[in-house]
Amino acid sequence: DTGVSQDPRHKITKRGQNVTFRCDPISEHNRLYWYRQTLGQGPEFLTYFQNEAQLEKSRLLSDRFSAERPKGSFSTLEIQRTEQGDSAMYLCASSLNGLAGGRETQYFGPGTRLLVL
Amino acid sequence: GQQVMQIPQYQHVQEGEDFTTYCNSSTTLSNIQWYKQRPGGHPVFLIQLVKSGEVKKQKRLTFQFGEAKKNSSLHITATQTTDVGTYFCAGGAPRGNDYKLSFGAGTTVTVRA
Repeated sequence: DTGVSQDPRHKITKRGQNVTFRCDPISEHNRLYWYRQTLGQGPEFLTYFQNEAQLEKSRLLSDRFSAERPKGSFSTLEIQRTEQGDSAMYLCASSLNGLAGGRETQYFGPGTRLLVL
Repeated sequence: GQQVMQIPQYQHVQEGEDFTTYCNSSTTLSNIQWYKQRPGGHPVFLIQLVKSGEVKKQKRLTFQFGEAKKNSSLHITATQTTDVGTYFCAGGAPRGNDYKLSFGAGTTVTVRA
């Protein structure tokens, strides 16, 4: 399968713990996005990378959140000192040769479902 | 910021009937994309519309982009059980350096046989 993969698929953690998620994009895709999706809502943009450069971060991304894409391939999203409000599905998407105005097709991974107790 | 609204939030359809879901943006869009998310799944790209007034068809699905590029619709004819899921529209901003998509909250479709 050459699609976008995410690991883990599910994560249960206690409030205050740190968690890290991984995303492996489609291999030739240079652009990678992180979204958060809560029940009954569409995906909300968190941040994106062009190759290894993080180009934009949403205001939703508090200081407890950090994302990296060190070699321009896989990416990690870390949440420090998790809160119950962080419970959501974290989706990763990738695209090739991003066009301005969001015109490129984004391919989504299966997501990591986080539950903070 | 850009906001994308979808109506209805839920659509319960008799198998074989037609329905339409609507998407409206607070600002002019560069393009509109539609995704489908099956229960327990992730969003899957369906189609992109770029031109004002554009209409595209995929079998029983008809997608339309408004003349002002601020609204869009998805019309499904002869609904089947395989159409179950949540349909999201996502708008691309017109600014040259903005690569983000803004998603609506989706229309969740259920089908009764």
